[in-house]
Amino acid sequence: GENVEQHPSTLSVQEGDSAVIKCTYSDSASNYFPWYKQELGKRPQLIIDIRSNVGEKKDQRIAVTLNKTAKHFSLHITETQPEDSAVYFCAASLGNTGFQKLVFGTGTRLLVSP
Amino acid sequence: EAGVAQSPRYKIIEKRQSVAFWCNPISGHATLYWYQQILGQGPKLLIQFQNNGVVDDSQLPKDRFSAERLKGVDSTLKIQPAKLEDSAVYLCASSLRVSGANVLTFGAGSRLTVL
Repeated sequence: GENVEQHPSTLSVQEGDSAVIKCTYSDSASNYFPWYKQELGKRPQLIIDIRSNVGEKKDQRIAVTLNKTAKHFSLHITETQPEDSAVYFCAASLGNTGFQKLVFGTGTRLLVSP
Repeated sequence: EAGVAQSPRYKIIEKRQSVAFWCNPISGHATLYWYQQILGQGPKLLIQFQNNGVVDDSQLPKDRFSAERLKGVDSTLKIQPAKLEDSAVYLCASSLRVSGANVLTFGAGSRLTVL
């Protein structure tokens, strides 16, 4: 089955710095890669996603890049702010069109210090 | 639009007891998922429904877990009997298909503690 590896498990940065979280996947048929942010005690919330026909997508301070050949994708957060502190999960789709499921990575705890 | 509703938010039971969780997905979302999230880990899919049919239950411990979505809307997840290792947050999600991908929206989760 699909395996999604995520690194690092924890990341500490100073406010204003950039943060990068990396994920790799195993199923070459995966075509959808969302990123979720989960604050303590709250539900995971979708922050950005990318499909396999696109190499990069940006939304204000966050961007995601995808390298299909290498089977890895990354989340980039620029100008980090304390409110970016949370656990971030990557995911990759698995399964046939119409019955896809998401396999999640193990999460990255991001801490942004003022 | 209203989000994915789940109840109860918290439940504490002793091992070997039973528990049931309820989920009401976003209106119009045909696909419903139950994920288990153990503390410090990513969500793990337990079961996926398309309308009222099961699409994937390969990781559901069927000797103790069951789930149903009888009318293709609400769903219940039951654990009987519970084990200590079932302590986790049970997340329900529903999805809308957008440009060929299932975009998931999660509920707030039901936190289960098994003593």
